[in-house]
Amino acid sequence: GENVEQHPSTLSVQEGDSAVIKCTYSDSASNYFPWYKQELGKRPQLIIDIRSNVGEKKDQRIAVTLNKTAKHFSLHITETQPEDSAVYFCAATNDYKLSFGAGTTVTVRA
Amino acid sequence: DTGVSQNPRHKITKRGQNVTFRCDPISEHNRLYWYRQTLGQGPEFLTYFQNEAQLEKSRLLSDRFSAERPKGSFSTLEIQRTEQGDSAMYLCASSLVGPSGSNTGELFFGEGSRLTVL
Repeated sequence: GENVEQHPSTLSVQEGDSAVIKCTYSDSASNYFPWYKQELGKRPQLIIDIRSNVGEKKDQRIAVTLNKTAKHFSLHITETQPEDSAVYFCAATNDYKLSFGAGTTVTVRA
Repeated sequence: DTGVSQNPRHKITKRGQNVTFRCDPISEHNRLYWYRQTLGQGPEFLTYFQNEAQLEKSRLLSDRFSAERPKGSFSTLEIQRTEQGDSAMYLCASSLVGPSGSNTGELFFGEGSRLTVL
């Protein structure tokens, strides 16, 4: 099955700086790569996703890039704000079963 | 609230007892998933339904676990003879599958049911 690795496991950034989280996946058939944000005690919520026919996607301060050849994808958050502090999970699938990374705890320092 | 709802939100039980969790998905969603999340880890797939049919069960789901979705609407996850290793957050999610059978993408998660086995 699919195996998704995510790093770093923790990331501390100064408010206003950028944050980058990287993930690799094992199954070359995977074609859908979402990113979920989970605040403490809350449900995971989709923040951005990308499909395998696209190399990059942006939504305001967040962007995701995908390199199918290398089988890795990354989340970029620019101009970080305190409300960006949360755990971020990457995931991959080729159909119905999302395989998640272990998560990155992002802390934005004021 | 028209999102995915789960109950109970918290359950504390003694080892050996049975517990049941309920999930009400978004009404028009035809796929329903159960995931398990332990501290410091991402959600792990347990099982999923398309309408009332249970189409896949993970090897993580031992014989003590059973899930149902009797009318293709709400679902229950029962754990029999609970063990301390069952302590986790049990997340339900739902999604909409298009006519071609392909997933439209986003999973909508519930707030989860946290199980503590003493």
